Amino acid sequence: GAGVSQTPSNKVTEKGKYVELRCDPISGHTALYWYRQSLGQGPEFLIYFQGTGAADDSGLPNDRFFAVRPEGSVSTLKIQRTERGDSAVYLCASSLMAGGRSDTQYFGPGTRLTVL
Amino acid sequence: AQSVTQPDIHITVSEGASLELRCNYSYGATPYLFWYVQSPGQGLQLLLKYFSGDTLVQGIKGFEAEFKRSQSSFNLRKPSVHWSDAAEYFCAVSNFNKFYFGSGTKLNVKP
Repeated sequence: GAGVSQTPSNKVTEKGKYVELRCDPISGHTALYWYRQSLGQGPEFLIYFQGTGAADDSGLPNDRFFAVRPEGSVSTLKIQRTERGDSAVYLCASSLMAGGRSDTQYFGPGTRLTVL
Repeated sequence: AQSVTQPDIHITVSEGASLELRCNYSYGATPYLFWYVQSPGQGLQLLLKYFSGDTLVQGIKGFEAEFKRSQSSFNLRKPSVHWSDAAEYFCAVSNFNKFYFGSGTKLNVKP
C-alpha cells in the first residue's frame, strides 16, 4: 500500500513569510508525528497527534510553529514569520497506534524547507 | 534523559567487507531500539528493531544488531557490504510517543 506522503518535496521561501507543509499518513494509522532534521543531524521530535488532537507538542521550538490534524488523517505543519534557522528537512511519520513504545513509525520522504 | 550517540560520523568500507556501526544509548528503563537507513532524497526506512527477548535481532537487507545492556549499545552489523548499502544510518530509542535519534553515520562503500 501507499506509504507516508509529504508535499511539497521542496519549499523555498523568504524570511518572514508563512509556510504550510502537508503530510498524508498511511491509511488507518491513528498516530502521526512531525520531526525536523537539520543538516548533519538526526531527526528531532516536534509534535505527535493521536487522532485529531495534539497529544504532545513539547518539541515545537516556539509559538511560530503550529500543526493541525482536523480529521484525524492529513496533517499540516504551519510556520509563521519564517526565519533562516527554520531551514531544514521536515519529516512526517505515522504509526498504527500510539502510546506504545514498541509502535513502529513509518516515515515520509520529507519536505526540504529553505528560508532565504 | 534519553539520548543516542553514534560516535562515527563517516565510515568507509570496501564492497564485500564486513560492517559494524556503533550506537550507544542512555535510557532509564528497558530500551526499545531501532535502526533506520536514509538514502539521499528518501525517507527513513526501518532496518530492524529490538523490544525484548533475543538480544541478536535480524533485519532486512542482511543487517543484524546486537543489544548489549551492560554496554548500553545496539551496534548494527552486516557480514558483507554491497555498494547499494551506501547511505546514512540512524539509531533511535523510543520513549512512548517520540523517538530520540542519533546524529547518524554516513557509510561510503568503495568498489
